[in-house]
Amino acid sequence: NAGVTQTPKFQVLKTGQSMTLQCAQDMNHNSMYWYRQDPGMGLRLIYYSASEGTTDKGEVPNGYNVSRLNKREFSLRLESAAPSQTSVYFCASRTLSGGAVTGELFFGEGSRLTVL
Amino acid sequence: AQSVTQLDSQVPVFEEAPVELRCNYSSSVSVYLFWYVQYPNQGLQLLLKYLSGSTLVKGINGFEAEFNKSQTSFHLRKPSVHISDTAEYFCAVSGSSNTGKLIFGQGTTLQVKP
Repeated sequence: NAGVTQTPKFQVLKTGQSMTLQCAQDMNHNSMYWYRQDPGMGLRLIYYSASEGTTDKGEVPNGYNVSRLNKREFSLRLESAAPSQTSVYFCASRTLSGGAVTGELFFGEGSRLTVL
Repeated sequence: AQSVTQLDSQVPVFEEAPVELRCNYSSSVSVYLFWYVQYPNQGLQLLLKYLSGSTLVKGINGFEAEFNKSQTSFHLRKPSVHISDTAEYFCAVSGSSNTGKLIFGQGTTLQVKP
């Protein structure tokens, strides 16, 4: 029952360093998403991949890049980390049902990133 | 563009009392509506969802929500809360496009007191 797995769970970076957050799902879902969670701001969509081979910007894409490596994996990269990117990052996935996206969004447990 | 507003950032309530968490959405197209719960240091779990049909939706753990199209609201209710319901609750909206983007509200922290 792995579901959505994110690594690492915790990371501390210095300003300007780069890193990649990894996400994998084993539920054969078409769509995958990266959100960030900040106090009082809920979850904000960074990037998403509606299907394998496609990626699109969400609400707050600046400073991030993504790669949909295959149907299972969707990574998020910070090329030059900034203190404003200190946050908890969640990967999620869901499936398409009859062409309409009505299924439940399944979340990983989150990755807590601190940028000093 | 779609958006979600949760009107209360924190809701304190005593155990066994009823509770309502308010959610309003904005969208020019048909929407799907969701409530998720997040327990401390965990990811989000689905409580319930409205896709179509009956406007009263029942979810897990005794929660229910009512879709009101004229008021663009989707408030979450529970008639009697337990200490274990203490968590953060998120309302979310998704359009009918095939991108599956889910837009979340700011969250409401439910604090159940003994």
